[in-house]
Amino acid sequence: QKEVEQDPGPLSVPEGAIVSLNCTYSNSAFQYFMWYRQYSRKGPELLMYTYSSGNKEDGRFTAQVDKSSKYISLFIRDSQPSDSATYLCAMSRPSGNTPLVFGKGTRLSVIA
Amino acid sequence: DAEITQSPRHKITETGRQVTLACHQTWNHNNMFWYRQDLGHGLRLIHYSYGVHDTNKGEVSDGYSVSRSNTEDLPLTLESAASSQTSVYFCASRKETSGYNEQFFGPGTRLTVL
Repeated sequence: QKEVEQDPGPLSVPEGAIVSLNCTYSNSAFQYFMWYRQYSRKGPELLMYTYSSGNKEDGRFTAQVDKSSKYISLFIRDSQPSDSATYLCAMSRPSGNTPLVFGKGTRLSVIA
Repeated sequence: DAEITQSPRHKITETGRQVTLACHQTWNHNNMFWYRQDLGHGLRLIHYSYGVHDTNKGEVSDGYSVSRSNTEDLPLTLESAASSQTSVYFCASRKETSGYNEQFFGPGTRLTVL
């Protein structure tokens, strides 16, 4: 079993829909949880990060972490065509100096 | 502005040739990483470095090598390129401190091995 599992999609939704992207993980030592967004032919860019459990909101984006279930989610409200990208979850242990562990990424298309 | 750059952005080479991909960052980050990204596999860690003269193997290090002679650069060398190494390669860097620090990625190098 891989440390981080993420459904690769592709996921196609109409403009204005609420999008839910998810990852599960197996290592309970993970404390930092990140979502990266990657546009076609570009490098990944950090979208949001959370520490331990709880929610974090930034505009139309909400990140949730449920450590008891080893499950993290990214919600996108009022999705826009500009949100079309691949979304990768990433995690790391409490010591900041360890490599991030990435999910495979979910490819999202928002159709106008 | 600080940044991370990769060169070349596109490269076509032949099987058996040695290839070096460059990565340069101006943030003075100690931590640098090389990944490859393939459909169905996501980002896979090749090699990483926590400082000058430090290198570590990642998940898919066979056929690749790195060396770190200064803080700014971590070149990735394919000793004898194989068609299986056709991929998009990303370099990344991150500040070394305890706790969380953002990891920044370069724009990628698209490598084709014929």
